[in-house]
Amino acid sequence: GAVVSQHPSRVICKSGTSVKIECRSLDFQATTMFWYRQFPKQSLMLMATSNEGSKATYEQGVEKDKFLINHASLTLSTLTVTSAHPEDSSFYICSAPNGAGGPQNIQYFGAGTRLSVL
Amino acid sequence: AQTVTQSQPEMSVQEAETVTLSCTYDTSESDYYLFWYKQPPSRQMILVIRQEAYKQQNATENRFSVNFQKAAKSFSLKISDSQLGDAAMYFCAYRAPNTGNQFYFGTGTSLTVIP
Repeated sequence: GAVVSQHPSRVICKSGTSVKIECRSLDFQATTMFWYRQFPKQSLMLMATSNEGSKATYEQGVEKDKFLINHASLTLSTLTVTSAHPEDSSFYICSAPNGAGGPQNIQYFGAGTRLSVL
Repeated sequence: AQTVTQSQPEMSVQEAETVTLSCTYDTSESDYYLFWYKQPPSRQMILVIRQEAYKQQNATENRFSVNFQKAAKSFSLKISDSQLGDAAMYFCAYRAPNTGNQFYFGTGTSLTVIP
């Protein structure tokens, strides 16, 4: 089946550094990808919608300058957490719809990235 | 915006028994899709089952089935013959057509399976 690869799975960084997370659709093209943030034992909070070839759409309250999203190709979206601080520590998940029509359109999720900012 | 509510933060079930997880949602749309996703300790989200709102027949996938009540806006998940591997967080999700594939997730239900 369709697979979404997310890398890295775990990253530990110092406060003030930037971290890039990659999300790749391995066997299908995705004009849209989604980035979520998940706190422990909580639901997925949509941060932004990544659009291939255009600007990302951010949810209310999400700082676009803090969380930079680039969707440069039909199979790759990146999320860069700039000048990371401890409060940015979280679990980040990407997803991509398989592009099929109607009910066959399914979201596939990456395995997530656990970010720890010291 | 659409809202998805899971009123059971935690549930437990004896191995081999049946458990039902509740989900309600709010929408003004008549055509939409509903999903149950499983998130095991590995944190990988896995699609369990999906339902199209225009279909009256409840979806089933092996030991997993749903009770879809469109008028009541209810979408519960029944797990039969529970197995230890079913232990996970379960998220109910809603998607309307033509909304850019955006999903709305419930707050999740943590399922424990007791051996």
